[in-house]
Amino acid sequence: DAGITQSPRYKITETGRQVTLMCHQTWSHSYMFWYRQDLGHGLRLIYYSAAADITDKGEVPDGYVVSRSKTENFPLTLESATRSQTSVYFCASQGDSNTEAFFGQGTRLTVV
Amino acid sequence: QQQVKQSPQSLIVQKGGISIINCAYENTAFDYFPWYQQFPGKGPALLIAIRPDVSEKKEGRFTISFNKSAKQFSLHIMDSQPGDSATYFCAALMNRDDKIIFGKGTRLHILP
Repeated sequence: DAGITQSPRYKITETGRQVTLMCHQTWSHSYMFWYRQDLGHGLRLIYYSAAADITDKGEVPDGYVVSRSKTENFPLTLESATRSQTSVYFCASQGDSNTEAFFGQGTRLTVV
Repeated sequence: QQQVKQSPQSLIVQKGGISIINCAYENTAFDYFPWYQQFPGKGPALLIAIRPDVSEKKEGRFTISFNKSAKQFSLHIMDSQPGDSATYFCAALMNRDDKIIFGKGTRLHILP
């Protein structure tokens, strides 16, 4: 199926554990983004990538790690999850000559 | 530093009324201003967008008004319907190959 997909949709993990959120897009878009959405804070950019093997920090990168070995995948890893990382995470992609960002369905992560 | 300020945080409008959401930006290098709509459990999706060389853009019941000198833009939803109940994000881009800067969002509820 064409589009952008995130997995898992829901995840509960314990404090201190490592967890990876997956994002896959089928358009070969150059740009990919990770946002977290929290009430009162809107969408905050965690990391973004302009192309494979190119990543950069966003507004709230601490505690997160990303990689982009292939254009279509952009996983987000929480190295040691904390309760403050409980949130809804959205992945998005954007083409080179397109100003529209396409979002995945989101991953609801709960850290207990 | 918040580059795009959005208000109000929440809004309740009667069915058939006009919903108005306002945004202000600081960086005059922004040259593209999209609005995203997000329904519960879904990722945001592009609703309508405007460039600063026009003062207004209308698509159906949705209108963006843009005031370049005041560095403000707003979304008007005419004849608001319960199906318009969603969270709306204004945003800005510096150029087509840059990351999107989002406002904090407005939760709109249309009373039936």
